[in-house]
Amino acid sequence: GAGVSQTPSNKVTEKGKYVELRCDPISGHTALYWYRQSLGQGPEFLIYFQGTGAADDSGLPNDRFFAVRPEGSVSTLKIQRTERGDSAVYLCASSFGQGSTGELFFGEGSRLTVL
Amino acid sequence: GENVEQHPSTLSVQEGDSAVIKCTYSDSASNYFPWYKQELGKRPQLIIDIRSNVGEKKDQRIAVTLNKTAKHFSLHITETQPEDSAVYFCAATHQDGNKLVFGAGTILRVKS
Repeated sequence: GAGVSQTPSNKVTEKGKYVELRCDPISGHTALYWYRQSLGQGPEFLIYFQGTGAADDSGLPNDRFFAVRPEGSVSTLKIQRTERGDSAVYLCASSFGQGSTGELFFGEGSRLTVL
Repeated sequence: GENVEQHPSTLSVQEGDSAVIKCTYSDSASNYFPWYKQELGKRPQLIIDIRSNVGEKKDQRIAVTLNKTAKHFSLHITETQPEDSAVYFCAATHQDGNKLVFGAGTILRVKS
């Protein structure tokens, strides 16, 4: 596609439910990142994939959060037993090449609201 | 780990004036410093970046300066226009790093 695509754009769920957020990166981009952006804050790093493998998952806040990228393209961020504090915009970004010292192309984000 | 602080949190300028946003970073190993612009409800987009082997970079009305000794870098926008109104984020990482660390953002309002 022309840009990074994220679905759903909005997700409202109840506390304790399971949520999946999908990211479709720019074709040919090997690097994929998930960030979380709370209101009035900058994006906060969650996890980085290089190809199919999670090269750095140091930003995942706890074991309720998990992400996969089984074929090296589309990625899914999975959140179990959601809590109200998980409410935020989840941004996906992709880039060409390794590491983050090149332009990151962000998606529009998935806004998650946990009631 | 890296910590990036950004100020001011909000900035209002008159159309045609200059705007300056400043950031400091903590990790002396950081060597890549991008700036992203995020319009309301939109995705962040890269507007300019600088690497540690240069002290200044310009692109039309925007410029970035870097002081490695003091560990701070700044975004300069000249001849501001209403369409410059947005949230601006600075960020830092190092060449072997996998994650950009972002500042908290600056809301820039250009009044016409």
